[in-house]
Amino acid sequence: DAGVIQSPRHEVTEMGQEVTLRCKPISGHNSLFWYRQTMMRGLELLIYFNNNVPIDDSGMPEDRFSAKMPNASFSTLKIQPSEPRDSAVYFCASSPRQSNQPQHFGDGTRLSIL
Amino acid sequence: GQSLEQPSEVTAVEGAIVQINCTYQTSGFYGLSWYQQHDGGAPTFLSYNALDGLEETGRFSSFLSRSDSYGYLLLQELQMKDSASYFCAVGSNYQLIWGAGTKLIIKP
Repeated sequence: DAGVIQSPRHEVTEMGQEVTLRCKPISGHNSLFWYRQTMMRGLELLIYFNNNVPIDDSGMPEDRFSAKMPNASFSTLKIQPSEPRDSAVYFCASSPRQSNQPQHFGDGTRLSIL
Repeated sequence: GQSLEQPSEVTAVEGAIVQINCTYQTSGFYGLSWYQQHDGGAPTFLSYNALDGLEETGRFSSFLSRSDSYGYLLLQELQMKDSASYFCAVGSNYQLIWGAGTKLIIKP
């Protein structure tokens, strides 16, 4: 079975540019999570979707960040405009039904904003 | 507030046994999970305890005491490939509250 699929694996771009990260959750999983991980702040939950509906986006840093889940098999996290402090590894995870565990993580997107 | 406490680093010898502790303070409790993350990799689910007691999965075991708000991950017969960071996480309402992670260093 395919796991959570994220793209791109690496992204390097200049500040001010728009960045779009993509995620395909495991089929049948109703919950989707976007995380950001840095050395300084560890693993931070950005937003949580259940049945394609955003339930909690309180972790989204600011208005520059937005996330969508147009259907059960696809989600995007967009940063516009990007800033150097957004550099981090961004993970998408999915979980079955309404449970929050276990969570299955994608390989992540390593984002560098120059 | 909600918090999980785990040691930042633990060192052990190959072939030995190591225990990584986790204490938590959360507004809700829906189980304690453990995840492993190798450098440059993604967190990988290891185990889950919803009830008190010990859960065993091969060389790894996880324990939970809800009355003490405490759990631990036990790794036996340590191998070099077990060198990684280990995170405990507590289910609280709809999300997981994560610990800061324990870096496990294994010496030959």
